[in-house]
Amino acid sequence: NAGVTQTPKFQVLKTGQSMTLQCAQDMNHNSMYWYRQDPGMGLRLIYYSASEGTTDKGEVPNGYNVSRLNKREFSLRLESAAPSQTSVYFCASSRDPPGSGANVLTFGAGSRLTVL
Amino acid sequence: DAKTTQPNSMESNEEEPVHLPCNHSTISGTDYIHWYRQLPSQGPEYVIHGLTSNVNNRMASLAIAEDRKSSTLILHRATLRDAAVYYCILRDTGTASKLTFGTGTRLQVTL
Repeated sequence: NAGVTQTPKFQVLKTGQSMTLQCAQDMNHNSMYWYRQDPGMGLRLIYYSASEGTTDKGEVPNGYNVSRLNKREFSLRLESAAPSQTSVYFCASSRDPPGSGANVLTFGAGSRLTVL
Repeated sequence: DAKTTQPNSMESNEEEPVHLPCNHSTISGTDYIHWYRQLPSQGPEYVIHGLTSNVNNRMASLAIAEDRKSSTLILHRATLRDAAVYYCILRDTGTASKLTFGTGTRLQVTL
């Protein structure tokens, strides 16, 4: 089992360019998430999708859009990249809904994005 | 929001037990206590979680204080592969927007 797969692993963008980070899971999980991690900080939730066809904002959604393409795939789009979006991005999935206290997340390996 | 407080860093010798503390004095009755760890250049990895009772799994043990205001993650025999940042997180039912990780404890394991 691959678990959660993210592409690309590395990307360099210029300010104003757009790009999409792809995420796919093969565990038949219902919920998916996008986080960002900045140096010296913990992970902050950008967007999440409790189930296919639904998306909701997390703690830091500004400058991002998401699409839950199907049950397996959840993409994150930067329409006009800014240097402040330089970060490592992690996708995660879970069997249980986000509102479940016992919800366990499985993370991907991360995508390192640099915006010049 | 119920918050957690962890030491920034800890050190351990290989083959020794490690006790990683977490304070959560404002925990509510419905908050689950979760632990994740993040190895260098990898995504976070689930370790263990519990609500009121102590929990054991193949990776670690979770000891929860009787008043639930603190908990301890126990690695029974630390190895070099356990060197990571360990996150203690409270998960409340119904608050999906607060799925945020703090800065965690960086565990160093030495020979």
